[in-house]
Amino acid sequence: DAGVTQSPTHLIKTRGQHVTLRCSPISGHKSVSWYQQVLGQGPQFIFQYYEKEERGRGNFPDRFSARQFPNYSSELNVNALLLGDSALYLCASSHLAQGNSPLHFGNGTRLTVT
Amino acid sequence: ELKVEQNPLFLSMQEGKNYTIYCNYSTTSDRLYWYRQDPGKSLESLFVLLSNGAVKQEGRLMASLDTKARLSTLHITAAVHDLSATYFCAVGWFYFGTGTSLTVIP
Repeated sequence: DAGVTQSPTHLIKTRGQHVTLRCSPISGHKSVSWYQQVLGQGPQFIFQYYEKEERGRGNFPDRFSARQFPNYSSELNVNALLLGDSALYLCASSHLAQGNSPLHFGNGTRLTVT
Repeated sequence: ELKVEQNPLFLSMQEGKNYTIYCNYSTTSDRLYWYRQDPGKSLESLFVLLSNGAVKQEGRLMASLDTKARLSTLHITAAVHDLSATYFCAVGWFYFGTGTSLTVIP
């Protein structure tokens, strides 16, 4: 089975633009979570979706939004990009809404804002 | 907000030596995960610890959980170069530690 896939792998944007990142979970997984990882730091939780409903939101501004589609894939949108949004954006999936299983991470999208 | 702190942040150790990475967290939780991240790569799950006193071992790595002390440890035995990576602990799915960058030198 394919793992968690994210696209694109790399992206360069200019301040003020918006960006859409995409994630396909492992087949059968209904939960998708998004994380921002700045170089040298641990992942910071942004959103969790389960069965197309938002189940959790981290401490990020309203410029960040997400949604989950009927096939359980997900998009993360960031508007009005700032230099500080430059980071690795990770998507992770699980078959549970919350539980005792670990997350399965994709390879991430490297976003550079200039 | 729950805080997760790891120490040390950076660790350089010789092959064959033993060492322990510590993960402290600020509020009660009974779900603790350890992940490994190689440079430029994503996170790979290593251990899931779900109860007080839980101990898991895989190869040269052993993880333990003390929920009363709010402490988890990742012990490295007889380190080898292949263990060089950054190790993260996470409390639940939402709170990750700062990471410990491990370099094993010959």
